Amino acid sequence: KNEVEQSPQNLTAQEGEFITINCSYSVGISALHWLQQHPGGGIVSLFMLSSGKKKHGRLIATINIQEKHSSLHITASHPRDSAVYICAVTQGAQKLVFGQGTRLTINP
Amino acid sequence: NAGVTQTPKFQVLKTGQSMTLQCAQDMNHEYMSWYRQDPGMGLRLIHYSVGAGITDQGEVPNGYNVSRSTTEDFPLRLLSAAPSQTSVYFCASTEWTGNTEAFFGQGTRLTVV
Repeated sequence: KNEVEQSPQNLTAQEGEFITINCSYSVGISALHWLQQHPGGGIVSLFMLSSGKKKHGRLIATINIQEKHSSLHITASHPRDSAVYICAVTQGAQKLVFGQGTRLTINP
Repeated sequence: NAGVTQTPKFQVLKTGQSMTLQCAQDMNHEYMSWYRQDPGMGLRLIHYSVGAGITDQGEVPNGYNVSRSTTEDFPLRLLSAAPSQTSVYFCASTEWTGNTEAFFGQGTRLTVV
């Protein structure tokens, strides 16, 4: 079993829909990261969380430390949001452990 | 700041050839790491470094070599390329505080034929 599990693995939605991607982890962490990777592109950090909730524009990330669970929400989704979203956790000092990613496709 | 600069973006090698993937950061980060990304497997740690002169192996180190002579640079060397090393490679850097954002290079798509 992977230490970081994401669901769903693939998600297709229509423009404007509310999107939720989930991440569960089974290890102790110092932080959780949500990353975005566009096709053929690099990896960009969206959020780094250690507690609570963060919001950047239409993106919201939450984390529940007790339940070892985080969610990434996208409101009013747009085709440009189509990408792979990766959850990663920082174990110990700096070791990053990655989930397998969620491929999101937003159709116009 | 340029962030993390990784080169080349694409590379094709013949089996047995060697090459070096370059990674440089200008943020004075102590921790740098190399990952490979394969379909269905997520990113896996190859090697990492916690500072100049200090490196250690990650999850999949075989066939790769690293060195960290300066804080800024962390090159990854493929000693004798094999088709199993066909992958997308990412370099990353972060501060040594356990609770900071990670910065990634643009990735290198390597094909070994």
